[in-house]
Amino acid sequence: DTGVSQDPRHKITKRGQNVTFRCDPISEHNRLYWYRQTLGQGPEFLTYFQNEAQLEKSRLLSDRFSAERPKGSFSTLEIQRTEQGDSAMYLCASSLGLAGYYEQYFGPGTRLTVT
Amino acid sequence: ILNVEQSPQSLHVQEGDSTNFTCSFPSSNFYALHWYRWETAKSPEALFVMTLNGDEKKKGRISATLNTKEGYSYLYIKGSQPEDSATYLCAPYTGNQFYFGTGTSLTVIP
Repeated sequence: DTGVSQDPRHKITKRGQNVTFRCDPISEHNRLYWYRQTLGQGPEFLTYFQNEAQLEKSRLLSDRFSAERPKGSFSTLEIQRTEQGDSAMYLCASSLGLAGYYEQYFGPGTRLTVT
Repeated sequence: ILNVEQSPQSLHVQEGDSTNFTCSFPSSNFYALHWYRWETAKSPEALFVMTLNGDEKKKGRISATLNTKEGYSYLYIKGSQPEDSATYLCAPYTGNQFYFGTGTSLTVIP
């Protein structure tokens, strides 16, 4: 399977705990995006990487969120000290090319529930 | 933050009907517009990437047009089928990030 994969698919955690999600993009894609989606809303941009460089981060993003893409391959998104408001679907997408002119391929998402 | 509006929010049509949705966005700082289809329990799937004013794209029974000067795009589905049931999302790209609308939820009744 050469699609975008995400792990885990579901995560239940208690408030205050740290969680980390992983995204494996399509291998030749150099752009990788993270989004958050809550019920009734479209995906909300969190951050994106071009190869290993994190080029943009949403101003709305709390400093409890951090993302990495070592070696320009897979990426991780960590949320520290989770809050109930962090409960959402976290989507990863990758695309070929150096700009937003190429379609994004989305992974299945990680659904986070903070209790 | 970019205000992206999609209308209608939801739509129920009979199989065989044709339908269309609207995506409105600020016309400044426009680079590209993406359309995605998101079926329940699946990942969003790209339909079209549009960049030029007046662009028209077609994929089977689905087509889209783009007006960058007035800031809108239309998505058309001809002869809707039950498998077209999904949420359709538009996402303008401003040069540094995508801004997704809340989507139009389409239900096609057999």
